[in-house]
Amino acid sequence: AQKITQTQPGMFVQEKEAVTLDCTYDTSDQSYGLFWYKQPSSGEMIFLIYQGSYDEQNATEGRYSLNFQKARKSANLVISASQLGDSAMYFCAMRVETGAGSYQLTFGKGTKLSVIP
Amino acid sequence: ETGVTQTPRHLVMGMTNKKSLKCEQHLGHNAMYWYKQSAKKPLELMFVYNFKEQTENNSVPSRFSPECPNSSHLFLHLHTLQPEDSALYLCASSQGTGDGYTFGSGTRLTVV
Repeated sequence: AQKITQTQPGMFVQEKEAVTLDCTYDTSDQSYGLFWYKQPSSGEMIFLIYQGSYDEQNATEGRYSLNFQKARKSANLVISASQLGDSAMYFCAMRVETGAGSYQLTFGKGTKLSVIP
Repeated sequence: ETGVTQTPRHLVMGMTNKKSLKCEQHLGHNAMYWYKQSAKKPLELMFVYNFKEQTENNSVPSRFSPECPNSSHLFLHLHTLQPEDSALYLCASSQGTGDGYTFGSGTRLTVV
């Protein structure tokens, strides 16, 4: 069964510091994709970053980077230079194939990040 | 404006009511999804539509009835709900089911 685990229910970080949000996954598929989403209190899920299982380089998008360790099946999100607006829920998700050419996203339980001024 | 618009943003309904949630996307995507987000639980996929055809129904009770009249619109019809159905209902779309999703802001549903 496909599974995403986020072991940190809540995290605190000082403004301007870096923070790492943990994500481990479990799949027997060779081809898969990993996503991180941010959910502010408004409810909208905002796409942050994507890593494909065959990508050899870690994905980066501005202040976001994904520390992809395939052998450990981990895909941690690193946020550099935290800002107050980064306070939100963060979800790790994995794209899994459910049938011929069909896929769906499976989400972890999320980590609530609070940035302290 | 995210490209995926959900209405209403908030809904309070009694257990005997019938209501509908609406989702509209202006991104030209072919796949649309309904997710349920309850407190302290992972997002639960409810339904998947690809090119207007339902391709996934994750054992959702029949009191939730989806409708996809075209690739841009998705509805979730609700009737005789239970208090435990209170949650944030999120709609998403993607170009294909293997692509990244764009989410709406959700409808926060309270069943009283």
